[in-house]
Amino acid sequence: NAGVTQTPKFQVLKTGQSMTLQCAQDMNHEYMSWYRQDPGMGLRLIHYSVGAGITDQGEVPNGYNVSRSTTEDFPLRLLSAAPSQTSVYFCASSYLQADETYEQYFGPGTRLTVT
Amino acid sequence: RKEVEQDPGPFNVPEGATVAFNCTYSNSASQSFFWYRQDCRKEPKLLMSVYSSGNEDGRFTAQLNRASQYISLLIRDSKLSDSATYLCVVMPMDTGRRALTFGSGTRLQVQP
Repeated sequence: NAGVTQTPKFQVLKTGQSMTLQCAQDMNHEYMSWYRQDPGMGLRLIHYSVGAGITDQGEVPNGYNVSRSTTEDFPLRLLSAAPSQTSVYFCASSYLQADETYEQYFGPGTRLTVT
Repeated sequence: RKEVEQDPGPFNVPEGATVAFNCTYSNSASQSFFWYRQDCRKEPKLLMSVYSSGNEDGRFTAQLNRASQYISLLIRDSKLSDSATYLCVVMPMDTGRRALTFGSGTRLQVQP
């Protein structure tokens, strides 16, 4: 299993440009999430999905769109990049285990700089 | 007030020392609790879940106090490889969400 993969690893955008961060998982997990991590802020939830065709907003959704057409893929779209979106973006997937334990598996992250 | 608060550190300790991290959470309805470890410029990885009765995994012991809304992590006999940032994590009561709330992390540096 590749686990959770993210592309690209690094990206530099100009203000106003749009782009899509890709995320894929091969573990057949129902739940997928996008987080951003800024210095001193911890990880903050952007959007999440509880299954194909179902998405919802997290704590900081403004400026981002998501879709979940398949179980495997959960792309994050930046509509019009702003310097405030400079961050490290992590995608994660998870499932609820039979014993009610729960673990999120994270991708390696995308480091985005907006100039 | 942040939902999950941690002392950012850094904690600088010698090899072999015992070190404890604390964390408080504001949502009394939080369902589940975890400690994640994050190495520099890497993704977070689950270290251990935290159960109401407390639990131990080798040199690591986690405790939960629901009344005080407080979670702790104790590391005994610190190794150089324990140097990392430790993230306190809670899962909200709305379990349909299956997304986590993270503290900003406590940095540990173990010195030779």
